[in-house]
Amino acid sequence: GESVGLHLPTLSVQEGDNSIINCAYSNSASDYFIWYKQESGKGPQFIIDIRSNMDKRQGQRVTVLLNKTVKHLSLQIAATQPGDSAVYFCAENIISFNKFYFGSGTKLNVKP
Amino acid sequence: DTGVSQDPRHKITKRGQNVTFRCDPISEHNRLYWYRQTLGQGPEFLTYFQNEAQLEKSRLLSDRFSAERPKGSFSTLEIQRTEQGDSAMYLCASSLLRETGELFFGEGSRLTVL
Repeated sequence: GESVGLHLPTLSVQEGDNSIINCAYSNSASDYFIWYKQESGKGPQFIIDIRSNMDKRQGQRVTVLLNKTVKHLSLQIAATQPGDSAVYFCAENIISFNKFYFGSGTKLNVKP
Repeated sequence: DTGVSQDPRHKITKRGQNVTFRCDPISEHNRLYWYRQTLGQGPEFLTYFQNEAQLEKSRLLSDRFSAERPKGSFSTLEIQRTEQGDSAMYLCASSLLRETGELFFGEGSRLTVL
């Protein structure tokens, strides 16, 4: 079955530093890989996605990298801010199945 | 606020009681999903609708669980004869009928079964 997981359960960074959150996946058939941010007591919020035929995509302060050779996904956050403190989930989607599978999350702590 | 709305936000019930959660998706969204999330875990897929049709149900969704989306608008998730293991956050999400990675989630309904 599909498996999406994260290497580090907790990541602490200093405000202003760059953050890198990693994720491993096992299903080569996934069409999209997505990052979500979840703040305490709230539902997950979409950050950025990347299609399987791409290896890099940039957003505002965020970059997602996809390495299909080793089935690895990463989220880079530039100039991390206190408001970035949250749990980050990677997810994958197979369009024909239309289901999104989520990993177990990495908690990002931003120290002032 | 035109986001996904869920009600109630919190529900405490005794084991054996029935509970129902409601989700109002973003109005133009065709697809509606239910997920369950326990502490420290990512959301687990339960079921999804395309308009009023329930297209798939996870094996996690036992026969005590039922979901409906009459007229392709709001959806309800009912849990009958609740068990302590049902305690979780129940998340609803919606999306447009197009190929994209984006789901719009509600704030969730937290269920505590005593």
